Amino acid sequence: GEDVEQSLFLSVREGDSSVINCTYTDSSSTYLYWYKQEPGAGLQLLTYIFSNMDMKQDQRLTVLLNKKDKHLSLRIADTQTGDSAIYFCSPGFQKLVFGTGTRLLVSP
Amino acid sequence: GAVVSQHPSRVICKSGTSVKIECRSLDFQATTMFWYRQFPKQSLMLMATSNEGSKATYEQGVEKDKFLINHASLTLSTLTVTSAHPEDSSFYICSARGMTSGGPRDEQFFGPGTRLTVL
Repeated sequence: GEDVEQSLFLSVREGDSSVINCTYTDSSSTYLYWYKQEPGAGLQLLTYIFSNMDMKQDQRLTVLLNKKDKHLSLRIADTQTGDSAIYFCSPGFQKLVFGTGTRLLVSP
Repeated sequence: GAVVSQHPSRVICKSGTSVKIECRSLDFQATTMFWYRQFPKQSLMLMATSNEGSKATYEQGVEKDKFLINHASLTLSTLTVTSAHPEDSSFYICSARGMTSGGPRDEQFFGPGTRLTVL
């Protein structure tokens, strides 16, 4: 089945850029999503990229997709304390597959 | 738009009782709903997929007699944990996908989750 891997933890200072990386195994996904989960809450869709795109920019968020290497990244510019959360990447269409997520901690 | 609610947000029950969790799409028609389970500091595990008006499709290892799913309308799906035991304690999250006012949406919209604690 599909496998998704992310580093477990990332710590940055407020104002810096954050880069969260993700690798996956299934290359048939039409879409690749980034979700944010705050403590005790559900998942909030942040952005997504079509599999035929290399890059997508959405305000402070930049998604890069390297389909050959099955690598997806999310860059958050000017990271704020409110960005502290767990971030999940998820390839998929009919079904989403999640890894363990990356816990982002933003310190003032 | 595309808001999904869950009720209750938190429930504590005694071992052996059954608990029903509701998932509603508030402003769109959810042709497909998904139920996930999340353990502390772990990923989301898909339990089942349900299409409106048909039986749910359960993932491997998920007991369908234990976790009853009903998707009777385009805005409501329910998950009933039957004869709950402490090991069923978890965070249950639903998501929905379907037709919004802006047209069909492929992405899943997630509810806020329900924290179940079985004593």
